[in-house]
Amino acid sequence: EAQVTQNPRYLITVTGKKLTVTCSQNMNHEYMSWYRQDPGLGLRQIYYSMNVEVTDKGDVPEGYKVSRKEKRNFPLILESPSPNQTSLYFCASSFLGQGGEKLFFGSGTQLSVL
Amino acid sequence: LAKTTQPISMDSYEGQEVNITCSHNNIATNDYITWYQQFPSQGPRFIIQGYKTKVTNEVASLFIPADRKSSTLSLPRVSLSDTAVYYCLVGAKQAGTALIFGKGTTLSVSS
Repeated sequence: EAQVTQNPRYLITVTGKKLTVTCSQNMNHEYMSWYRQDPGLGLRQIYYSMNVEVTDKGDVPEGYKVSRKEKRNFPLILESPSPNQTSLYFCASSFLGQGGEKLFFGSGTQLSVL
Repeated sequence: LAKTTQPISMDSYEGQEVNITCSHNNIATNDYITWYQQFPSQGPRFIIQGYKTKVTNEVASLFIPADRKSSTLSLPRVSLSDTAVYYCLVGAKQAGTALIFGKGTTLSVSS
């Protein structure tokens, strides 16, 4: 089954404790991205990657890191999490179809930073 | 990137047709229009995409006027399960650019 898999689904951590949220896709898509969703603010893009070893900042990159060492994986790294990073995170993979880019999202990771 | 404006919320009843309009006055020549649907605690799901005129699939129709400064997502005969947030995106016909989702339109369908 074609899918984007994020882990963990839920995560509670404390301020300053490094964490990684993993994301993997099995659709051989070139492009991957990370979003955060907060009440009243909609979805905001954190980082995106156009290919292996090619990443760029989105709307809200501060406090986050990403890496794309393999085509299928795109982990999101919080080196020193803070409470304002408590949010619902989504990973997406995408391809450029006939009309334009189409995104496929994972099920999300609910992160709470205490 | 073109900014989009959608109604914050809409209400409907089962069986009615729902039209959600999105304004994108600054749309560029290379931009396409895409709509996504999101249920609570789930990732958005692709609904439909178009560049001009009308596009129809098994789920919805997308109407785009000649000037492309707006677009309308049409959901025929909605049901309770269509209650969700709908996002209109405008982006270039190339992948990898930072897409802006905005706040979307919360559609509530009642019986």
